[in-house]
Amino acid sequence: GENVEQHPSTLSVQEGDSAVIKCTYSDSASNYFPWYKQELGKRPQLIIDIRSNVGEKKDQRIAVTLNKTAKHFSLHITETQPEDSAVYFCAASLRNQFYFGTGTSLTVIP
Amino acid sequence: GAVVSQHPSWVICKSGTSVKIECRSLDFQATTMFWYRQFPKQSLMLMATSNEGSKATYEQGVEKDKFLINHASLTLSTLTVTSAHPEDSSFYICSANPGGSYEQYFGPGTRLTVT
Repeated sequence: GENVEQHPSTLSVQEGDSAVIKCTYSDSASNYFPWYKQELGKRPQLIIDIRSNVGEKKDQRIAVTLNKTAKHFSLHITETQPEDSAVYFCAASLRNQFYFGTGTSLTVIP
Repeated sequence: GAVVSQHPSWVICKSGTSVKIECRSLDFQATTMFWYRQFPKQSLMLMATSNEGSKATYEQGVEKDKFLINHASLTLSTLTVTSAHPEDSSFYICSANPGGSYEQYFGPGTRLTVT
């Protein structure tokens, strides 16, 4: 399968600051990269995704960038709010199977 | 739309018994369903891919005789944990793909505790 690495594992930011989470993947055949927010004991919620033929995508305060050559993609959250606090997972889709990163616990300090 | 349910939401069983978890797509037909396991404070690990009417494909290291998957219809997949042991205690999450899209829709998860 695919190998996805995610950094950092924990991230604390002041409210209003930006947060950046980075992921790398190993298989160049991966073609879809979703990001999920997961609260404790709940299902992952899709927050943004990007396909391999796109370099950047933005949705309000959230953006994702993809560098296919380097096989890495990043999540950017601007103007962070306390309700952004959660665990975030990146994933890479290889032959329609999702392989998840190890997760980033984001804490937004009011 | 695109709702996936799981049943039960939590279950406690004794070591050595078997437990069945159901995953249903409520408002779409799912050609493919996936099963994940998530240990506390860890990531989701893909266990197997389930295609309707055919045998499931298991990820390396996942015992197919222990984790039985059946995908008998386009809206239902089941995972049976056989001869459960305490180390099988985990959060099991399914997802479903409706076909024609990359996206997977996740169920709410099942918390399994084996005593």
